Amino acid sequence: QSALTQPASVSGSPGQSITISCTGTSSDVGSYNLVSWYQQHPGKAPKLMIYEGSKRPSGVSNRFSGSKSGNTASLTISGLQAEDEADYYCCSYAGSSFRVFGGGTKLTVL
Amino acid sequence: EVQLVESGGGLVQPGGSLRLSCAASGFTFSSYWMSWVRQAPGKGLEWVANIKQDGSEKYYVDSVKGRFTISRDNAKNSLYLQMNSLRAEDTAVYYCARESEWELTNWFDPWGQGTLVTVSS
Repeated sequence: QSALTQPASVSGSPGQSITISCTGTSSDVGSYNLVSWYQQHPGKAPKLMIYEGSKRPSGVSNRFSGSKSGNTASLTISGLQAEDEADYYCCSYAGSSFRVFGGGTKLTVL
Repeated sequence: EVQLVESGGGLVQPGGSLRLSCAASGFTFSSYWMSWVRQAPGKGLEWVANIKQDGSEKYYVDSVKGRFTISRDNAKNSLYLQMNSLRAEDTAVYYCARESEWELTNWFDPWGQGTLVTVSS
């Protein structure tokens, strides 16, 4: 049950696009199309942004998109806005109802 | 409005016990899997445990197995986490989160506001 690997930080200017990677193994990310992504602003609870790899919950901007290739999932945010500055976490199903999170990525909007 | 409200956090000595509660409202609580997720100060998220709708299945991260017990009372729309033999490394904000109605899914939505557990002498 090792944590998924995410870059510690990414940055981009308003209007640009950024991608956050989330690397797991063939036992979690690679085995299931069940990666979810969460946005967390300081002092707040996480918010679901993407589930089942690429699906957006109602109310989440279509600027957020998800994908997967092999053992790596990715979250792309297009048209960066100041309000997107936050921590982002990926989470994968890992079998037998176990879940594993990534270490988190701090997004800075320059 | 779907809402989850945690309570029961606080300061406890190493080796001590604490029981967290999560009050659910705005949805049919008995229809959903539920989870506890924690976040140590300045650190990332860690899934702790989850429980099936009727309480017949419970799963735990290895680090809390044998020390923590997840339970629910569907009549009271409440989720619980009994934490025994607490260690300094259990210090974290504990979030209650709703999962899906079905197995083989992976999302948490919504989350409660969290309750802080501090294990220290």
